[in-house]
Amino acid sequence: AQRVTQPEKLLSVFKGAPVELKCNYSYSGSPELFWYVQYSRQRLQLLLRHISRESIKGFTADLNKGETSFHLKKPFAQEEDSAMYYCALIRDGGNYQLIWGAGTKLIIKP
Amino acid sequence: GAGVSQSPSNKVTEKGKDVELRCDPISGHTALYWYRQRLGQGLEFLIYFQGNSAPDKSGLPSDRFSAERTGESVSTLTIQRTQQEDSAVYLCASSRVSYEQYFGPGTRLTVT
Repeated sequence: AQRVTQPEKLLSVFKGAPVELKCNYSYSGSPELFWYVQYSRQRLQLLLRHISRESIKGFTADLNKGETSFHLKKPFAQEEDSAMYYCALIRDGGNYQLIWGAGTKLIIKP
Repeated sequence: GAGVSQSPSNKVTEKGKDVELRCDPISGHTALYWYRQRLGQGLEFLIYFQGNSAPDKSGLPSDRFSAERTGESVSTLTIQRTQQEDSAVYLCASSRVSYEQYFGPGTRLTVT
């Protein structure tokens, strides 16, 4: 079964410290994975997509097929990074439905 | 351009009443999704519309929930005989046939 697991409901780190938000997936084919973010009082929005291999707001995520992981990382956290982060996987069938993780709330302490 | 809009932004209703939530997707977006987000929980998929195809209703939690979409425009999510456990934020998203979903601001439903 296709599944996305975000093991941490809450992650709290100090400003300037490295951040790693964990995401593990279960998928039989070649996965396509994403990170979405929801800042306070804002809409949920796409942060990054593994295929594009880009860094957005200092965040990167590498797909590790051996470990079936897609962890989101940033070397130096900033207070504005505080938000809810969701990992998602495109579902089989080609209709672009996403399977969502439960989300991790990231709090950056000053 | 305008993003996805939802109305009402907040709805308080009494247990047992019916409610109707509305979503206006971005023009030209063929796909439309409804999600439920309970307090402190992740996104729960409800229903998915894609063009003129039959909707994927596999996420609807009970037959009290239904949704319609007129062509590639407005969608309404109806909850009949509301229960307290229906209290949540209901999110709508739309997309072209691609991976990026554009979300609305949500409707916060409170059932008293």
